[in-house]
Amino acid sequence: QKEVEQNSGPLSVPEGAIASLNCTYSDRGSQSFFWYRQYSGKSPELIMFIYSNGDKEDGRFTAQLNKASQYVSLLIRDSQPSDSATYLCAVNIGWAQGAQKLVFGQGTRLTINP
Amino acid sequence: NAGVMQNPRHLVRRRGQEARLRCSPMKGHSHVYWYRQLPEEGLKFMVYLQKENIIDESGMPKERFSAEFPKEGPSILRIQQVVRGDSAAYFCASSPFSAGVLTSVRSYEQYFGPGTRLTVT
Repeated sequence: QKEVEQNSGPLSVPEGAIASLNCTYSDRGSQSFFWYRQYSGKSPELIMFIYSNGDKEDGRFTAQLNKASQYVSLLIRDSQPSDSATYLCAVNIGWAQGAQKLVFGQGTRLTINP
Repeated sequence: NAGVMQNPRHLVRRRGQEARLRCSPMKGHSHVYWYRQLPEEGLKFMVYLQKENIIDESGMPKERFSAEFPKEGPSILRIQQVVRGDSAAYFCASSPFSAGVLTSVRSYEQYFGPGTRLTVT
């Protein structure tokens, strides 16, 4: 089992709809969860982080965390063509042992169709 | 409010040469992380440094790779005797704070620089 798993996609969503991106992780002790957006040829851009169970909203983005199920998701409302990118889920695996490294999923490629 | 800076942005080296990649963290950040992204692969952690200290190098290849973050100046990722398999994008990230197992503070967000794209010919 991979430490952080994402559906690689591609995920195609019509403009204006809700895009739903999912991520599961293996380390039950993880406390910190991040979503990055990466455009082709560019660096990852932090768009959301969540530390507590439940939902966290920021503009059109909502991150959802369920530690019992070891599951974190990202919802993008009112999807725009500019949201087309690869979305990377990152988890601080090994935090309980003092680790600070982020373990990334493979990324989900999202395409918003006008 | 300058972000994480990396240079050079593109670096071409012949097999056997040395590559030096530099990273200056965001203002106020004292923790630096290096990641590598191979073509069509995910981001992989390499090393985590604080000023003058390597904290975690569990992702660094055992040979040819080294990293430092001196008291003054940028962090340096050094690759000796490069091979074609070293061709990748190397990203540096910085964060303002870190947590240890003895505290209840979680890890903080990491912000990435633009990356250095290394091509080995």
